[in-house]
Amino acid sequence: DVKVTQSSRYLVKRTGEKVFLECVQDMDHENMFWYRQDPGLGLRLIYFSYDVKMKEKGDIPEGYSVSREKKERFSLILESASTNQTSMYLCASSLRGVAYEQYFGPGTRLTVT
Amino acid sequence: GEDVEQSLFLSVREGDSSVINCTYTDSSSTYLYWYKQEPGAGLQLLTYIFSNMDMKQDQRLTVLLNKKDKHLSLRIADTQTGDSAIYFCAETGGFKTIFGAGTRLFVKA
Repeated sequence: DVKVTQSSRYLVKRTGEKVFLECVQDMDHENMFWYRQDPGLGLRLIYFSYDVKMKEKGDIPEGYSVSREKKERFSLILESASTNQTSMYLCASSLRGVAYEQYFGPGTRLTVT
Repeated sequence: GEDVEQSLFLSVREGDSSVINCTYTDSSSTYLYWYKQEPGAGLQLLTYIFSNMDMKQDQRLTVLLNKKDKHLSLRIADTQTGDSAIYFCAETGGFKTIFGAGTRLFVKA
């Protein structure tokens, strides 16, 4: 059974803290993605990676960075968390190629106070 | 830029058909998808259609594509309470997949 796991389901952090969100997939997928999901806005792409150590900015990369040191793991980093980064964060993975289904993790609900 | 729009809410009675609509702007879209998100879970692919198709049927699900109007719909026959979820329309024609805001389907018993 294919699986994308995220390190936390719920996270509460203070403004200014450095936050790490971890995502691991066990399907040997080349592509990995980080989205944020906000009511009425749907999913917005933050960053994606198509290979180890490779990354591309999505639509809303400001305030975020990513790391992909191993094929199965893709980390999202909030260097200095702010209240407007309170959101649901979803990780996904897919095979290389544009048309392949994306497999999503359960999400991390981050609250920044 | 590319955009995908869908209504935010739909309410139906159990046993009725549900129709969720979506419009997109990218005329070069090659694949269009419907994803389902149940409470507390990530998105899961429900069905997809190639842009050279008009219709696809899969059990209770029927997808209709009007490429001229850039309109996609998902029909769920005999809607059940277990179909209550958020349904996302998505399209891709390049490297990125663009998602709509999601339609929350409420099914009344």
